[in-house]
Amino acid sequence: DVKVTQSSRYLVKRTGEKVFLECVQDMDHENMFWYRQDPGLGLRLIYFSYDVKMKEKGDIPEGYSVSREKKERFSLILESASTNQTSMYLCASSLNNLAGGGQFFGPGTRLTVL
Amino acid sequence: GDSVTQMEGPVTLSEEAFLTINCTYTATGYPSLFWYVQYPGEGLQLLLKATKADDKGSNKGFEATYRKETTSFHLEKGSVQVSDSAVYFCALSEGNFNKFYFGSGTKLNVKP
Repeated sequence: DVKVTQSSRYLVKRTGEKVFLECVQDMDHENMFWYRQDPGLGLRLIYFSYDVKMKEKGDIPEGYSVSREKKERFSLILESASTNQTSMYLCASSLNNLAGGGQFFGPGTRLTVL
Repeated sequence: GDSVTQMEGPVTLSEEAFLTINCTYTATGYPSLFWYVQYPGEGLQLLLKATKADDKGSNKGFEATYRKETTSFHLEKGSVQVSDSAVYFCALSEGNFNKFYFGSGTKLNVKP
């Protein structure tokens, strides 16, 4: 089974802190994604990566950056956390070939910024 | 651009009732379509998929048929159980990199 793990289930940070969210997948997937999930808004794509050191902006990249130094790991960075970044963050990975079954998700990190 | 619209929730049903959650999409090409389910406190899990027109995806008693003429992919189940209580997301994927577009989610509550 594909496994996507995220470094924390719950995280509490203060405004202005630099925050790192880590995601690791174990199935050699080319693509990795970061979403945030907010009530009534569904999932919104922040960034994605289709290869090591490659990244593309999603729909809401402002205030975030990403890093992919190894194929299995994709990090989301909040350079200076703000209260409006309080949310559930979901990481996902996939093959390029959709026959592989779509995107596989981690359990999520619920981030609270005080 | 691509988008997915699904019915607002919450949907509340009694056990053994029939379920329909509507989903329509807008896409420029020929997308693949998906339903995901999110149980409380968990990430999203793939429920079923269809990759071309008239395909029917099915899993765990759930079904959805890819209707190109009506740009729809409605989720159905003949008899829901309390354990089906969750949030259901419709999604499409098109183009490079397996990029997905998700609907806003529909919460299903099933009462015993």
